[in-house]
Amino acid sequence: EAQVTQNPRYLITVTGKKLTVTCSQNMNHEYMSWYRQDPGLGLRQIYYSMNVEVTDKGDVPEGYKVSRKEKRNFPLILESPSPNQTSLYFCASSSSAGASDTQYFGPGTRLTVL
Amino acid sequence: KQEVTQIPAALSVPEGENLVLNCSFTDSAIYNLQWFRQDPGKGLTSLLLIQSSQREQTSGRLNASLDKSSGRSTLYIAASQPGDSATYLCAVRRRDNYGQNFVFGPGTRLSVLP
Repeated sequence: EAQVTQNPRYLITVTGKKLTVTCSQNMNHEYMSWYRQDPGLGLRQIYYSMNVEVTDKGDVPEGYKVSRKEKRNFPLILESPSPNQTSLYFCASSSSAGASDTQYFGPGTRLTVL
Repeated sequence: KQEVTQIPAALSVPEGENLVLNCSFTDSAIYNLQWFRQDPGKGLTSLLLIQSSQREQTSGRLNASLDKSSGRSTLYIAASQPGDSATYLCAVRRRDNYGQNFVFGPGTRLSVLP
């Protein structure tokens, strides 16, 4: 089954404790992206990757890091999480950067930083 | 800066009604516009994608239109059903940075009453 998976689905942590949220897709997609969703602010793009070893900032990259060492994986790293990073996080992928390419979303990771 | 708005924020209709959801964007330089559905506790599911050169797309009871010059898109749902209850999001794919950035609207929460 074609899908985007994220782990963990739920995470409660404390300020300053480094964490990684994994994202994996099995569709051989080139483009992958991370979003956060907050009430009243909607979905905002954090980082995206055009292909292996090619990443770029979205609209809200501060406090986050990403890497793309393999085509299928695109982990999101919070080196020193803070309470304002409490949010619902989504990973997405699409075949490429074409105008006809649909984005496929993972189920989401709900992160709480105390 | 691209901004996306959606009207109304919430809508409640009786089963069987036809309805229209609206999406507006401020910058017409887009690659495409996509409509998504989000169910509580789940990720986003793509409904329709309209490329910037297209005027509309149809899938079953759904029809989406795009007027790039006026910065507007509508999602028409025919003969609504309780199973259509969800939050509907529109997103535009920007043309800057090789068109890799996505901007989402805040969503319209739809309730279809039996």
